[in-house]
Order: sequence, then C-alpha cells, then structure tokens
Amino acid sequence: DAKTTQPPSMDCAEGRAANLPCNHSTISGNEYVYWYRQIHSQGPQYIIHGLKNNETNEMASLIITEDRKSSTLILPHATLRDTAVYYCIDPPNSGGYQKVTFGTGTKLQVIP
Amino acid sequence: DVKVTQSSRYLVKRTGEKVFLECVQDMDHENMFWYRQDPGLGLRLIYFSYDVKMKEKGDIPEGYSVSREKKERFSLILESASTNQTSMYLCASNTLGAEAGEQYFGPGTRLTVT
Repeated sequence: DAKTTQPPSMDCAEGRAANLPCNHSTISGNEYVYWYRQIHSQGPQYIIHGLKNNETNEMASLIITEDRKSSTLILPHATLRDTAVYYCIDPPNSGGYQKVTFGTGTKLQVIP
Repeated sequence: DVKVTQSSRYLVKRTGEKVFLECVQDMDHENMFWYRQDPGLGLRLIYFSYDVKMKEKGDIPEGYSVSREKKERFSLILESASTNQTSMYLCASNTLGAEAGEQYFGPGTRLTVT
C-alpha cells in the first residue's frame, strides 16, 4: 500500500496556482518526498523532490511542513498542459533500486 | 536528457502467446525496472535489475520473467499471456547510487490480451 495520501481529484483555473497536497505521516527522517506527474497515456515524469527545505525548479515549487508529515506541490501558473495525475511518493532511502510505490495520485484538471 | 524507449506503444496478443516487451535506456544506468499500471491500483513493480544478468522480483512477478543481457536493455517476458495481464507496462531506469525515487520512465506499452 502507498504510504502517502492525496485527494483523488482537483480542479484549477488556467493561469491560477495549483496547490496539490500530500500527507506522508509515516515518513522517516532521511526519506525524501518526490513528486511525479503522468499525462494521459504517457509514463510518469519526475517533477521535484525535497527532504526538509522548500524547493523550486523550472516546473514547480515544493513546500514541506516543518514536521515533514505533509507537503504541497505548487504549479504557480497552471496551463492546460498541466492536466495530469500527480503522484507524491516517499520511497525508502536505502539504495537506488529500492521499490518505489506509487499510489493512485491526484487527478488535476486545469479548466480554461 | 535521459531517454527510455519501449518497443511498442500498443500491442494486442492472444491468450497463450509468448510476449516480449523491450526497454532501452541511453544513459548508461545500472538499474532498470518493469512496472504495470492498472486503474485504481497505481504502479506495481514486477521485476528490477541492478546489473547485467542480475534480476530481483518485485511485488507481482508471477507470470513474468525478465532478461538483461546488455546494460542498456531490459526485457519483460510473458511466457504464456493471459487476459489478466492486459495492462499498461512501464519501464524505468536510474543510476547506481541515485536516490530510489528518482526514476526515469518510458512512454509505456499498452498490452491487450484477448
């Protein structure tokens, strides 16, 4: 079973910020939080990851709470191409080939 | 950019056929993975490999085998396809020492077994 909890779906108006929450209450101190997205009929695409501090890259920002039990992925100006399923995962930090468990994610619909 | 390619986007096979799904990555990654994705079940790991000729079972290896003869290529084999193997199959790779969550995925193969 996935160790993270996400809402099944969200809507966001085009041009607005999309804020996607994730609960990972069982995360260990050295485990990273990763975000992926999957556009329909494509493979998952890595977006961003973080440990304790907030992170930003060209795709998104990641806000992690101080207790690390939850995080929020922010797409600052959502476009129609951001419509996808977004996955939050916290894989074990014990090697590059450890199992990565994806849950069912949040289906984000960006509305014109 | 990392590129992971899969031999087919769509495949239709008959029950009992032997099916080969091929995956190739061009970034010299040591680790390669095969997942299947079904509605409501997320991604489930079938097998992974951390080196040539090495393989490890994932969560659902039954009915599948794998082959890794070259570093860049990881094949998933359905010895005798069954209708319950109709699914989206995803290949992924990452490098030795990479954090487990940083995997690069191929576009997927949607397999239908009739």
